[in-house]
Amino acid sequence: DAGVIQSPRHEVTEMGQEVTLRCKPISGHDYLFWYRQTMMRGLELLIYFNNNVPIDDSGMPEDRFSAKMPNASFSTLKIQPSEPRDSAVYFCASKSGPDTQYFGPGTRLTVL
Amino acid sequence: GDSVTQMEGPVTLSEEAFLTINCTYTATGYPSLFWYVQYPGEGLQLLLKATKADDKGSNKGFEATYRKETTSFHLEKGSVQVSDSAVYFCVSIPGSNYKLTFGKGTLLTVNP
Repeated sequence: DAGVIQSPRHEVTEMGQEVTLRCKPISGHDYLFWYRQTMMRGLELLIYFNNNVPIDDSGMPEDRFSAKMPNASFSTLKIQPSEPRDSAVYFCASKSGPDTQYFGPGTRLTVL
Repeated sequence: GDSVTQMEGPVTLSEEAFLTINCTYTATGYPSLFWYVQYPGEGLQLLLKATKADDKGSNKGFEATYRKETTSFHLEKGSVQVSDSAVYFCVSIPGSNYKLTFGKGTLLTVNP
């Protein structure tokens, strides 16, 4: 298996622009998680899905952030409009049932 | 709420030195405990885990024992290598909850 796939690996954008991060989970996994990693706050869970349904989005920082999972093999995290404080590494992870989470390589976002 | 506290880094060792990274947790129940490792520019990878008291997780020469009496899960390795240089995260998952609780991470640098 190719593992969790994220794209792009790096994104540089200007403040106010829309940013879309993409994730393809491991085939057969029924849970998908979005995390944000910063030096100041460490790793934070933003949202997670079970069977494509959002279960807990309490970690989503504000209305500028939205996440979707239209099918079992694809999810997006969108920031609109982006701000410099959104600069971070965003990780996607997936799992099957009670098994361990498998993380993608991350997307490094820089908002100028 | 649940939390994980791990020793702050950075930790710098010479090759073949003994490694200990301390980790303690607080939880209302009996969490599963994990160590994840993040190599430069990569996502998190599961290093080892323990799901109940007195379990010992081990992998790649690393070990950690789930100590309920001291609520600890310290990571150890008898002889580190340069390739072990990475950030190590202590993680707990309380009961049937799927939300990971992360420690802040410890940066380990091993010099030849």
